[in-house]
Amino acid sequence: QVQLVESGGGVVQPGNSLRLSCAASGFTFNRVSMHWVRQAPDKGLDWVATASSDGSKTNHVDSVKGRFTISRDNSRNVLYLQMDNLRVDDTARYYCVKSDCESVDCRLLVHWGQGTVVTVSA
Amino acid sequence: DIHMTQSPSTLSASVGDRVIITCRASQSLGTWLAWYQQKPGKAPNLLIQQTSILESGVPSRFSGSGSGTEFSLTISSLQPDDSATYYCQQYHLGLTFGQGTKVELK
Repeated sequence: QVQLVESGGGVVQPGNSLRLSCAASGFTFNRVSMHWVRQAPDKGLDWVATASSDGSKTNHVDSVKGRFTISRDNSRNVLYLQMDNLRVDDTARYYCVKSDCESVDCRLLVHWGQGTVVTVSA
Repeated sequence: DIHMTQSPSTLSASVGDRVIITCRASQSLGTWLAWYQQKPGKAPNLLIQQTSILESGVPSRFSGSGSGTEFSLTISSLQPDDSATYYCQQYHLGLTFGQGTKVELK
């Protein structure tokens, strides 16, 4: 069955960096686009970034452009989110999410991991 | 960006009640709208895609309808297991969510 296991979250100070990872299994990873979606404490869902199936095309929400970078290693079935210059308002649970097709335009979120928590605090 | 507005933010209903959640888009989506259910402490789960297509395993008491800018999620007979927060999401242009509707049992 599909499994998405996020890791790499933690507590960091503003301005610092973190790299999130998502280990995928149970499906053909290099055939689907992947997303990161976050949820601040007791808040709603916010899309963060998308990578196409081959990683050649990516999209990021404006609020993280220039600070976060989504990437993937299809040889290892891992999705990444490099987060630099973190801000307090980046505090959230970050979910790795599988789509149902290859392109960055595949925006139906068909399977979610359990998430990893990032806390940015001085 | 397409803005999504859900209503109500919270609703309280009894077992067996018919529950309707609405979602309004700031521009036409066609039928590119999905609904997700999120239970406390859990990840969201896709319930409905393309406005009205139920995902495998989703009980038939759930249904979706609408087009353009007005959409709704209906639970025909509320069950205790349906206590959750429900989110609409447009995937016509970019990807944006409604703010969520928390469904509580009376």
